[in-house]
Amino acid sequence: GAVVSQHPSWVICKSGTSVKIECRSLDFQATTMFWYRQFPKQSLMLMATSNEGSKATYEQGVEKDKFLINHASLTLSTLTVTSAHPEDSSFYICSAETSLVYNEQFFGPGTRLTVL
Amino acid sequence: SQQGEEDPQALSIQEGENATMNCSYKTSINNLQWYRQNSGRGLVHLILIRSNEREKHSGRLRVTLDTSKKSSSLLITASRAADTASYFCATKNGANSKLTFGKGITLSVRP
Repeated sequence: GAVVSQHPSWVICKSGTSVKIECRSLDFQATTMFWYRQFPKQSLMLMATSNEGSKATYEQGVEKDKFLINHASLTLSTLTVTSAHPEDSSFYICSAETSLVYNEQFFGPGTRLTVL
Repeated sequence: SQQGEEDPQALSIQEGENATMNCSYKTSINNLQWYRQNSGRGLVHLILIRSNEREKHSGRLRVTLDTSKKSSSLLITASRAADTASYFCATKNGANSKLTFGKGITLSVRP
């Protein structure tokens, strides 16, 4: 149980285009979902926290107009990287939290974004 | 900002040996968690230790927590080549649900 999926697993796009990444909790309802970014050989940096039906809370330094987060249901959150540039190339990981399992976040497999 | 700081940053051992990884943090915590990440993959939750716990075991894993020193250690006994991965500690502060990750340790287990 507690499986989180992400789609796509990798994407290559041209500079200036927008890319949408989906994060789904497959067998549980997620009270909260989180989006992280990870550069090569570095740690995870939290970008934003989202709760179903409300606006996401962005971490300091993360542009909310560039990284659009929609948490439409208890099992789906999307991250859209708008007008992507090469510096946005990174590994994007989502996680989901459920009130049924104390304090544990379940992570998706990640999405590798490469902007040319 | 990074809360956890692991050391060493890279560790290479022989299969069968024990691997010890340390994590230090700066602020008070509600719990501390250890995760594993295989190259290019998502994170796998290994173990959670609460602030009022001192030691916890799970299979070949042993985690200790010293809140007075603000540090934790992860011991993997009888390591296997499949344990090769990056390991991260992450802390959670009180009612705040955010996990703050350390920089990670790259463990290589030579067969």
